[in-house]
Amino acid sequence: QVQLVQSGAEVKKPGASVKVSCKASGYTFTSYGISWVRQAPGQGLEWMGWISAYNGNTNYAQKLQGRVTMTTDTSTSTAYMELRSLRSDDTAVYYCARDPIPSSSWYLAWFDPWGQGTLVTVSS
Amino acid sequence: EIVMTQSPATLSVSPGERATLSCRASQSVSSNLAWYQQKPGQAPRLLIYGASTRATGIPARFSGSGSGTEFTLTISSLQSEDFAVYYCQQYNNWPTFGQGTKVEIK
Repeated sequence: QVQLVQSGAEVKKPGASVKVSCKASGYTFTSYGISWVRQAPGQGLEWMGWISAYNGNTNYAQKLQGRVTMTTDTSTSTAYMELRSLRSDDTAVYYCARDPIPSSSWYLAWFDPWGQGTLVTVSS
Repeated sequence: EIVMTQSPATLSVSPGERATLSCRASQSVSSNLAWYQQKPGQAPRLLIYGASTRATGIPARFSGSGSGTEFTLTISSLQSEDFAVYYCQQYNNWPTFGQGTKVEIK
């Protein structure tokens, strides 16, 4: 079955960087894009951006432009999200989520399935 | 940015009763709306897309309706496993989510 398995929890100091991984299985990795969505404690969901696993094209949310980089490693079917210059308000659970329909291009859609989430805590 | 507003914030319902959740968009999103269920410590689970199409494996007691700016998720007869937080998401533009409705046991 389709599965996205994320890396473990991280604790970082303000100003540091974090890189979260998302390993896909059960489907052809390069056929679907991956989005990243985060959820601050007790808060709602925020879309961070998208990457094509086919060609590495990206679309980032405007508020994170310049601080976030999304990449993929097709040899291991893994997507990565790196966030730099961390602040306390970046403390959140970070999810990867797959596009529902195969495509190499960006398109607007729902997300299915989701990874289990990775808690990133930013604290001095 | 399209702002999604969900109401109520909390809905207290007895098992077996009907639950009606609302989601309003700040501008028309056509039928480009999805609903998710999230339980504590778990990732969101897709319930509905295209405003009214149930995702694979989702029970028929979940139904979605609406278009434009007003949407509804109805759970016809609440089961114990349905007590959770529900989010709407629009994908007519850059994806945005509502703040969620918590369905709790009355």
